[in-house]
Amino acid sequence: EAGVAQSPRYKIIEKRQSVAFWCNPISGHATLYWYQQILGQGPKLLIQFQNNGVVDDSQLPKDRFSAERLKGVDSTLKIQPAKLEDSAVYLCASSREALYNEQFFGPGTRLTVL
Amino acid sequence: DAKTTQPNSMESNEEEPVHLPCNHSTISGTDYIHWYRQLPSQGPEYVIHGLTSNVNNRMASLAIAEDRKSSTLILHRATLRDAAVYYCILRVGTSYGKLTFGQGTILTVHP
Repeated sequence: EAGVAQSPRYKIIEKRQSVAFWCNPISGHATLYWYQQILGQGPKLLIQFQNNGVVDDSQLPKDRFSAERLKGVDSTLKIQPAKLEDSAVYLCASSREALYNEQFFGPGTRLTVL
Repeated sequence: DAKTTQPNSMESNEEEPVHLPCNHSTISGTDYIHWYRQLPSQGPEYVIHGLTSNVNNRMASLAIAEDRKSSTLILHRATLRDAAVYYCILRVGTSYGKLTFGQGTILTVHP
C-alpha cells in the first residue's frame, strides 16, 4: 500500500511569512496526526484528527498554527505568521483507528525560517 | 504522561545482538510500551509494542520486566541499516493513541 505522502519536502521562508504543509494519509486510515520535530529532539504531537474532527490539539500554538481535515482524508497544517523557533521538521502520521497500535509516518517537511 | 528513561547512545557491531534498555518506573496498568525507530532523514517507524508479556515480530523482540518498570528492545542481529534513533514510548491506554516521544537512544552499528 502507498505510504503517507507529504509536500513540500523542504521550505524556506522569512519570519512573519505564512506557510502551509499538505498531508495525504494511507487510504482508509481514520486517524491523522501532525508532529513537530525540532533538531535533536523527539517528535511532539501538535494535533490529532479522528476522521474530520479534532481529538487533541492541546499542544498546538493556536495563535499562529491552524490545521484542517475537511473531508476526513487529506489535511493541511498552516503557520501564520512564522517565527524563527518554528524551524523544524513537520511530520504527518496516520493510523487505521485512534487506538490502533501502529502509526505510519510520512517523510516530513523540513521548514527553515530565516 | 508517564516518562521513560533511555541511554543517550549505544554502539554495536554488525551481526551481533543489541539490547536497548528503557526504564519506566511510573508506568500504570493500562500503559502500553511502544518502540519506534527513526532512520536518518526519515519519519519514525513502528518497531514493536507490548503490555505485559514478551513480544516477538520480524524486526525485534520486546522483553518486559515482571513489574513492568523496565523493558528491553532486542535486535537479534544488528545490521548497518539498524543504525537509527530508537524511542521507547508509553502510550496511555486512555489517551486515544497519543504517543509522547522522548530523546531516544542513538544506536551506532559498526561494520
